[in-house]
Amino acid sequence: AQSVSQHNHHVILSEAASLELGCNYSYGGTVNLFWYVQYPGQHLQLLLKYFSGDPLVKGIKGFEAEFIKSKFSFNLRKPSVQWSDTAEYFCAVNRMEYGNKLVFGAGTILRVKS
Amino acid sequence: NAGVTQTPKFQVLKTGQSMTLQCAQDMNHEYMSWYRQDPGMGLRLIHYSVGAGITDQGEVPNGYNVSRSTTEDFPLRLLSAAPSQTSVYFCASSYGVTNTGELFFGEGSRLTVL
Repeated sequence: AQSVSQHNHHVILSEAASLELGCNYSYGGTVNLFWYVQYPGQHLQLLLKYFSGDPLVKGIKGFEAEFIKSKFSFNLRKPSVQWSDTAEYFCAVNRMEYGNKLVFGAGTILRVKS
Repeated sequence: NAGVTQTPKFQVLKTGQSMTLQCAQDMNHEYMSWYRQDPGMGLRLIHYSVGAGITDQGEVPNGYNVSRSTTEDFPLRLLSAAPSQTSVYFCASSYGVTNTGELFFGEGSRLTVL
């Protein structure tokens, strides 16, 4: 079965620190990759996505992610976090032939201290 | 546009009771789906629909029924609630049924089964 692993469940950073959240998936075929964010009390919203092309994708609010096919990874990065980045972050993957069915990772709760 | 609207936002049930979580979208999206979110497990797909009259099971369908009589509505029914169904439920939709990428989420429905 396809699975998505997020390396850390809780991350605590100070403002201006750099962020990297790990995501690995188990499926070897062609995949689409996503990062979603859930701010406290809000619904999930899309941060960025990768379908094809440049493996370094940029999303909203200064986030970026790099797809490394050989490592089955899609890590999320931000050079300098802000207090407002406090949220839960979900990596998600779908296989090309599975339409819009996304498999989500367990999520990483990020807390940024001001 | 309202986007994806879920009701109710909160519900408490006793074991064995039945209820329906409502989901409506006003974006003319073909694809609709229901996920449940549990701590440490991310989001898991319950049921999905690729158009009116068409539904299919996701990863964790047991104990839940769905129907799709119109493009706009996709209710989720719990026929006999169990404590294991205590969770936060999210409805999500997207424009196409094949890899269009972004899912639009509702604000969630928090269900507690006693």
